[in-house]
Parts: sequence; structure tokens; C-alpha cells
Amino acid sequence: DAGVIQSPRHEVTEMGQEVTLRCKPISGHNSLFWYRQTMMRGLELLIYFNNNVPIDDSGMPEDRFSAKMPNASFSTLKIQPSEPRDSAVYFCASSLGSGAEQFFGPGTRLTVL
Amino acid sequence: KQEVTQIPAALSVPEGENLVLNCSFTDSAIYNLQWFRQDPGKGLTSLLLIQSSQREQTSGRLNASLDKSSGRSTLYIAASQPGDSATYLCAVSSTGANSKLTFGKGITLSVRP
Repeated sequence: DAGVIQSPRHEVTEMGQEVTLRCKPISGHNSLFWYRQTMMRGLELLIYFNNNVPIDDSGMPEDRFSAKMPNASFSTLKIQPSEPRDSAVYFCASSLGSGAEQFFGPGTRLTVL
Repeated sequence: KQEVTQIPAALSVPEGENLVLNCSFTDSAIYNLQWFRQDPGKGLTSLLLIQSSQREQTSGRLNASLDKSSGRSTLYIAASQPGDSATYLCAVSSTGANSKLTFGKGITLSVRP
């Protein structure tokens, strides 16, 4: 298996633009997680899905952030409009069950100018 | 609210030394605990997962222990090598059907040749 796949790996955009991050979980995994990592706050869970259903989105910072999982093999995290304080590395992870070992993708480094 | 602490934030040791990385958490009602490794600019790699009913797990030169009652875990690295240089993160999964990981901020380890 190729592991968790994320795209793009790097994204540079201007404030106010829409940003869409993509994730393909490991085949067969039924839990998917979106995290954000910054120097100041470390690694924070934004939202996670079980069987394509959002379970906990309490970590989503505000309404500018939204996430979808239309099927078991694809998820998106969208920021609209983006702001400089959204600059961070965004990770997607998947697992076989929400309490099981999590496997992380390589991350998307987002820079909002 | 679960809080995970890893102290110190950084550690530098000479090659060949055995070392211990510490992790503490505030709520002992956990489902499991995971240790991850993160190389600069990369995603997280799962090293060891300890279920709440277990006391330790071993993989090669790594040994992780868990003391739920005191809210502590340690990652023991035997005969450290320069290739072990990375950031090591501890994460705990809360109990319940919708458990999620809470991460510490990590310990950045440098092993000097």
C-alpha cells in the first residue's frame, strides 16, 4: 500500500483565496483525521470521520474551515477565505477504527501571504 | 480536558548512549498511547502503540512503558545512533467510542556522532 496520500505537498496562496487540501486514506481504513501543526500550538486535531461521517469537528477553528468525505477513499479540507494565520502544515491520518494506530500522510505545507 | 506534556523540549546526547524520553498526561482514563517519530519536513511515523491494559511494548532498540495510574509513559532508546535524531511525539487516545488523539509538543533529539 502507498500509505496515506496528500496533495498538494506545498501550497502558497494569497489572503482571501480558497484553498483545498486533499487526502486519500489507506485502503480499508475507516477512520480519517485532519490535523494542523504549528510551532506555537503543536499538533491539533481539526476533525475526524468514521465511515465517512464527521464525528468530532470541535477542533475546526472557525466557519472558514470545512471538511468533507464523499467516499471511503477521499477527503478534502477547504479554507475559504484563507488568512495568513492559517499558515501551517496540515496532516491527514487514517486508521482502522478511531482508537487504533494512526498512519500519517506527508502533510501539506500551506503558506498564506 | 486531556493535556499531554513532554519535557524537555530538546535533548542532545552522544552516540551510543541509552536514553529515556518522558511523557505525562493529566487524565488517566485513556484507551491507548502512541509514540511517533517526526523527521524535519516529514509526516509522523508510528513507533509503538500501548493499549491501556498493557505495561510496555518493544520494537528493536525501542521500548515504551505505560503507567496509567501515574499518568506517565517513557520511551527508552538503547544504544542511540545519529539516525535516531528526530522529534519524538507522544499521543494519548481517550476512552469511549469516539476517541481521538491528544498530542504532546514533542522532544527534539539530537544524537552526536
